[in-house]
Amino acid sequence: DSGVTQTPKHLITATGQRVTLRCSPRSGDLSVYWYQQSLDQGLQFLIQYYNGEERAKGNILERFSAQQFPDLHSELNLSSLELGDSALYFCASSLAGASQETQYFGPGTRLLVL
Amino acid sequence: GDSVTQMEGPVTLSEEAFLTINCTYTATGYPSLFWYVQYPGEGLQLLLKATKADDKGSNKGFEATYRKETTSFHLEKGSVQVSDSAVYFCALHDRGSTLGRLYFGRGTQLTVWP
Repeated sequence: DSGVTQTPKHLITATGQRVTLRCSPRSGDLSVYWYQQSLDQGLQFLIQYYNGEERAKGNILERFSAQQFPDLHSELNLSSLELGDSALYFCASSLAGASQETQYFGPGTRLLVL
Repeated sequence: GDSVTQMEGPVTLSEEAFLTINCTYTATGYPSLFWYVQYPGEGLQLLLKATKADDKGSNKGFEATYRKETTSFHLEKGSVQVSDSAVYFCALHDRGSTLGRLYFGRGTQLTVWP
């Protein structure tokens, strides 16, 4: 158990819908990362937050957004969903976001868009 | 830009065989290097890491040495077990960047038969 929790574990929805994925980092970790894992793209970095502020953006679509709340949990919002958004979404956390730190991953949310 | 290339799978071995999974990287700065493992239906777990040249990371019988001259971080294990069946990901953090994101390889599926 990494100490990072993600809910829900599975999500099935229809095209055009909007969903929210939730992540709670390890106790004491200030930095949260979101990654998308799909068969064709592999593991892709989406976005990073540090202590409530956006720090870095990767391959995140405009239909996707995220935020980190004062209690440090984070939510990833996916809207106008398309079939191609079906993937495993991971959250990870680290202490301060420094490059040599280990990132600890949650179990992921598996999203299926029908 | 930063990137990681790892050998294509799947890799199929008999129990007690020797394992090597090749990983090479490109980095604009001076990276930290990681191997993560993903067991079926689970999230990513850190297997080992190395933060400077010639460092050897090791864990659970797995080893990898940070080779700056060949920009490589190959994963090895002398005697694999059925329980090692999983997907292995090589990853880097660019320490020259203020951003903490990981760059992942495409993953290598390992199956070990009894």
